[in-house]
Amino acid sequence: NAGVTQTPKFRVLKTGQSMTLLCAQDMNHEYMYWYRQDPGMGLRLIHYSVGEGTTAKGEVPDGYNVSRLKKQNFLLGLESAAPSQTSVYFCASSSRDLATYNSPLHFGNGTRLTVT
Amino acid sequence: TQLLEQSPQFLSIQEGENLTVYCNSSSVFSSLQWYRQEPGEGPVLLVTVVTGGEVKKLKRLTFQFGDARKDSSLHITAAQPGDTGLYLCAGAHGTGTASKLTFGTGTRLQVTL
Repeated sequence: NAGVTQTPKFRVLKTGQSMTLLCAQDMNHEYMYWYRQDPGMGLRLIHYSVGEGTTAKGEVPDGYNVSRLKKQNFLLGLESAAPSQTSVYFCASSSRDLATYNSPLHFGNGTRLTVT
Repeated sequence: TQLLEQSPQFLSIQEGENLTVYCNSSSVFSSLQWYRQEPGEGPVLLVTVVTGGEVKKLKRLTFQFGDARKDSSLHITAAQPGDTGLYLCAGAHGTGTASKLTFGTGTRLQVTL
């Protein structure tokens, strides 16, 4: 019963390098989200997707891109990493829209990214 | 932009003590969720409160949603070391596919023997 799986768990990048974070869910959920977590700031929404082939911007989208080519996968890309992107990144999914159905989020265990 | 402020930010107590965590906003939310997060893991849902004034109990944890649906509280009775973790409130807002969760700033609780 895997739920939401994130890879990699840890990564160190140099400024200007690029990388892709992978999120996979096996619960057949329509909605998927990428958050970043920084001390004292809670979780902030980067991008989200309401279904295969769709993406939308969240609260802090600059410097990130996403793709949802398959329903079960949601990729987060950093084209040119900056030290300000040092953070813990969490992927989450939900079966239905959050407000109408009070659906909970199911989170992965995060990717700790350091940009030097 | 919806903001959720949690207080206190940090709390260190001894086993057996009671505590209350507050989650406040100037915005109205359609529902409010509480999550607990342990080191190296993602947040896990504890409870969802939907109706203004609603009170829900989960063993020693009592959750309340404010009458105006702008604030919430979490009360823990007789805290145990297993309650240690980061507690996050999250308010749901928007409609349909545009609905989102805004997370609070978090309360880190440590319960010692």
